[in-house]
Amino acid sequence: GENVEQHPSTLSVQEGDSAVIKCTYSDSASNYFPWYKQELGKRPQLIIDIRSNVGEKKDQRIAVTLNKTAKHFSLHITETQPEDSAVYFCAAVSSGGYNKLIFGAGTRLAVHP
Amino acid sequence: KAGVTQTPRYLIKTRGQQVTLSCSPISGHRSVSWYQQTPGQGLQFLFEYFSETQRNKGNFPGRFSGRQFSNSRSEMNVSTLELGDSALYLCASSPRGEKNTGELFFGEGSRLTVL
Repeated sequence: GENVEQHPSTLSVQEGDSAVIKCTYSDSASNYFPWYKQELGKRPQLIIDIRSNVGEKKDQRIAVTLNKTAKHFSLHITETQPEDSAVYFCAAVSSGGYNKLIFGAGTRLAVHP
Repeated sequence: KAGVTQTPRYLIKTRGQQVTLSCSPISGHRSVSWYQQTPGQGLQFLFEYFSETQRNKGNFPGRFSGRQFSNSRSEMNVSTLELGDSALYLCASSPRGEKNTGELFFGEGSRLTVL
């Protein structure tokens, strides 16, 4: 069935360092890959997404890469700041899946000043 | 624009009872989906509605059901509650209804505790 694996489950970095979170999906028909950030006690919010016809996308300090052959996609955060501390979820959506997101288990990122 | 509104925000039930949760999407959004969030299982898809039709259903037992009204508001119901149903139930709306999924806008959730 559909599955998304996410690693690592926790990540601790110093302010200014880079952080990388990796996800692997099982459904080769997946064509949309969003990343959501959830701060403690808050709702998940979209931070970046990528579609299967694109290999990389950047938005300021955040970038996402997609390797369709390997069914991998990754989130890269550069120059991390304490306000980046949150739980990050990757997700995948199959073609024709409308708004059915299959989420990874989440990565708790802690950025230490 | 007002965001996605979920009610109630917190509720406590006992095993065997049933519960109904409500979600009002962002104005103009016709797609509403529901997710269950637990520390152990993460975010799991329950179901998605568009124009009052259920388009997708996740792997949950039949005790979990939902519906959408003509004004796009949605409700989900859980019958015969079990301890394992304790979770944060998140509703999300989307302005997109076609096959190309877009951003989901989540509500703050309804936190259900089953005793």
